[in-house]
Amino acid sequence: GAGVSQSPSNKVTEKGKDVELRCDPISGHTALYWYRQSLGQGLEFLIYFQGNSAPDKSGLPSDRFSAERTGGSVSTLTIQRTQQEDSAVYLCASSFSSGSADTQYFGPGTRLTVL
Amino acid sequence: AQTVTQSQPEMSVQEAETVTLSCTYDTSESDYYLFWYKQPPSRQMILVIRQEAYKQQNATENRFSVNFQKAAKSFSLKISDSQLGDAAMYFCAYRRTQGGSEKLVFGKGTKLTVNP
Repeated sequence: GAGVSQSPSNKVTEKGKDVELRCDPISGHTALYWYRQSLGQGLEFLIYFQGNSAPDKSGLPSDRFSAERTGGSVSTLTIQRTQQEDSAVYLCASSFSSGSADTQYFGPGTRLTVL
Repeated sequence: AQTVTQSQPEMSVQEAETVTLSCTYDTSESDYYLFWYKQPPSRQMILVIRQEAYKQQNATENRFSVNFQKAAKSFSLKISDSQLGDAAMYFCAYRRTQGGSEKLVFGKGTKLTVNP
């Protein structure tokens, strides 16, 4: 596709359930980022991938959060035992490389609501 | 740690007028990048403009320009000839150039309303 895509667009789940959020980066982009956008905390970095490895996981808020990237392309963010405070918009971005000169292009996000 | 501050939660402007959004940041580094992103109701973050800290010349993209004051650690965005389509949340962001995380550090955002 032409841009970064994310699925699902919206997800409603019950507290305690596990959820998986998917990100499809722009073809050829080796760097991939996950961010979280919530009313109280603004936009926060979660994790960064270069290829399939994650040099920076410092933003993951707890061990209930994990992410993987396979084939240097699609990434999945998994939240286990969801809590109400996990409700937020989860944004994915990709860039051609990890060089800081490279623009990060964002997807439309997944809005997660935990009841 | 780097921080980015946007002191104006909301701003409004009349169509065709000019508006300036403020951003300050805190860093001990001498080289870095600064960005302005726009987020319309569709949620998609769109890059508006970026500035390399080593460049003295202010970046310009059509109706959008920045006033980069490195010593003051200030990076404001000026929108000229405002259009209804400019209405959105605007986020200022910082990115270091080397050594570790490539993440963007964002401000809290400014909601811009454009009045017809």
